[in-house]
Amino acid sequence: DSGVTQTPKHLITATGQRVTLRCSPRSGDLSVYWYQQSLDQGLQFLIQYYNGEERAKGNILERFSAQQFPDLHSELNLSSLELGDSALYFCASSALTSPTRATQYFGPGTRLTVL
Amino acid sequence: KNEVEQSPQNLTAQEGEFITINCSYSVGISALHWLQQHPGGGIVSLFMLSSGKKKHGRLIATINIQEKHSSLHITASHPRDSAVYICAVDRGSQGNLIFGKGTKLSVKP
Repeated sequence: DSGVTQTPKHLITATGQRVTLRCSPRSGDLSVYWYQQSLDQGLQFLIQYYNGEERAKGNILERFSAQQFPDLHSELNLSSLELGDSALYFCASSALTSPTRATQYFGPGTRLTVL
Repeated sequence: KNEVEQSPQNLTAQEGEFITINCSYSVGISALHWLQQHPGGGIVSLFMLSSGKKKHGRLIATINIQEKHSSLHITASHPRDSAVYICAVDRGSQGNLIFGKGTKLSVKP
């Protein structure tokens, strides 16, 4: 158990809908990272927050947004969902801002299926 | 061409065999990570390397920065090592990890 929790575990929804994925980092970790893992693209970095502020942005679509709240939990919002958004979404946390200096601890993931 | 290439894509081994998984990258990096993804989907960080070699139990990771190459070795492999092993590089700019496609390892008893 990494100490990172994600909810829900599974999510099935329809095209055009909006969903929110939630992540609680390990106690004391200030950095939260979001990743998408699809069958054709593999793992891709989406976005990073550190202590409530956006720190880095990767291949995140404009239809997707995220935020980190004062209690350090983070939410990833996916809107106008398309079939291609079906994927595993992972959250990870670390103690520091840079992956270079800190191990990332991954949550169990949320499996999103868009029908 | 992908910035991070792993080989082999799939690997089947007999229990007890020595296993090597390779990772080559084409960009400048500040660190390289090896991750393990279990059949259930969970991801565990195994190593973070910026130079040299690290060892944890039966796992050894090495990196050659000049050659832009890293290897993950598993000694005395066991069926519980069956998983997907993923290499990821940190370019050091904004925390943007770039991932390889993974190596699926199956260790037969």
